[in-house]
Amino acid sequence: NAGVTQTPKFRVLKTGQSMTLLCAQDMNHEYMYWYRQDPGMGLRLIHYSVGEGTTAKGEVPDGYNVSRLKKQNFLLGLESAAPSQTSVYFCASTKEGLRPQHFGDGTRLSIL
Amino acid sequence: KNQVEQSPQSLIILEGKNCTLQCNYTVSPFSNLRWYKQDTGRGPVSLTIMTFSENTKSNGRYTATLDADTKQSSLHITASQLSDSASYICVVSADSNYQLIWGAGTKLIIKP
Repeated sequence: NAGVTQTPKFRVLKTGQSMTLLCAQDMNHEYMYWYRQDPGMGLRLIHYSVGEGTTAKGEVPDGYNVSRLKKQNFLLGLESAAPSQTSVYFCASTKEGLRPQHFGDGTRLSIL
Repeated sequence: KNQVEQSPQSLIILEGKNCTLQCNYTVSPFSNLRWYKQDTGRGPVSLTIMTFSENTKSNGRYTATLDADTKQSSLHITASQLSDSASYICVVSADSNYQLIWGAGTKLIIKP
């Protein structure tokens, strides 16, 4: 049972490039989330989904897009990467809102 | 503004000793409070979730307390082990189960 798997684990991009981060969960969870974690700060919610085909904005959505075409996958896209998007990105999932969120091990992204 | 503040920022203790980490929050309305453990390079892992009516909740050597009147929580670790070295993050949920407000964490180092 893999839980939540994030791909890739590391990536270096140049300013202006685009990329997609993939999150896959095998727990049949309805809710999925994308966070970013920056030094000295708490996790901040980028986008989330409450079920297949749904997405919603979180606290810091600008510069990111998401898609949830299949229940088990949640994709995070950077259309035109900026140095301010250098961060560690975490994906999480949960069966329902009051349950614990299960996290992947993150994608470390550097934008030069 | 909804905020979660944790203290201390970092803490070093000897193996076998006990310690207590603090969390103060200004989140309204309040739904539940969570503690997560995050090992270096890994995603957060849930330790406890407490709702408004719960004062204390234990998970092995971890005991969380909640005082909803003073908006304070603590995480007590008993008989610390080297594997307890990690960041401990306090998270508060407002009435929306999708919006979690994350503290910046306390970095705990256990020395042999």
